[in-house]
Amino acid sequence: DVKVTQSSRYLVKRTGEKVFLECVQDMDHENMFWYRQDPGLGLRLIYFSYDVKMKEKGDIPEGYSVSREKKERFSLILESASTNQTSMYLCASRRGGTGELFFGEGSRLTVL
Amino acid sequence: EDKVVQSPLSLVVHEGDTVTLNCSYEVTNFRSLLWYKQEKKAPTFLFMLTSSGIEKKSGRLSSILDKKELFSILNITATQTGDSAVYLCAGPMNRDDKIIFGKGTRLHILP
Repeated sequence: DVKVTQSSRYLVKRTGEKVFLECVQDMDHENMFWYRQDPGLGLRLIYFSYDVKMKEKGDIPEGYSVSREKKERFSLILESASTNQTSMYLCASRRGGTGELFFGEGSRLTVL
Repeated sequence: EDKVVQSPLSLVVHEGDTVTLNCSYEVTNFRSLLWYKQEKKAPTFLFMLTSSGIEKKSGRLSSILDKKELFSILNITATQTGDSAVYLCAGPMNRDDKIIFGKGTRLHILP
């Protein structure tokens, strides 16, 4: 079975802190994605990566950056966390050119 | 701008009813459309649709795509309380496979 693992299920950070959210997949997938999910707004795409070291902005990249140095790992970075970044963050992966996304369990971030 | 629009945003029905969930899209280079079910955790995959007019079916759930009119529907027959969830529609919108989701339909089934 495909497994997508997000390193932290729950995080509490303070405004201005740097935050790293890690995502690892074990199926050699080319594509990886970071979404945030908020009530009433659905899943919104922050960044995606279609291969190692490649990244593209999604619909809401402001305040975020990403890193994909190895194929299996896609990191989301909040350089200076703000309260409006309190949210559920979902990582997903899929084989390039195919449809199904495989999701991690999510990381619930609270910024105080 | 590519987008996916789902309707209704919320729906409450009684157990045993049949429901139809809608997904319309505007894309520059359509490739496929995806349906997911989300309960308390991460979304789980239901269907992928690439060809117009071909119904995908899994038990009481079915889905069909109309590429000419740019929409898809998800049908659930003989609903059960376990069908209560948020149903999400999404699509790879261009050659870079940027997958965009709609806001989802929150379905609640009353016993």
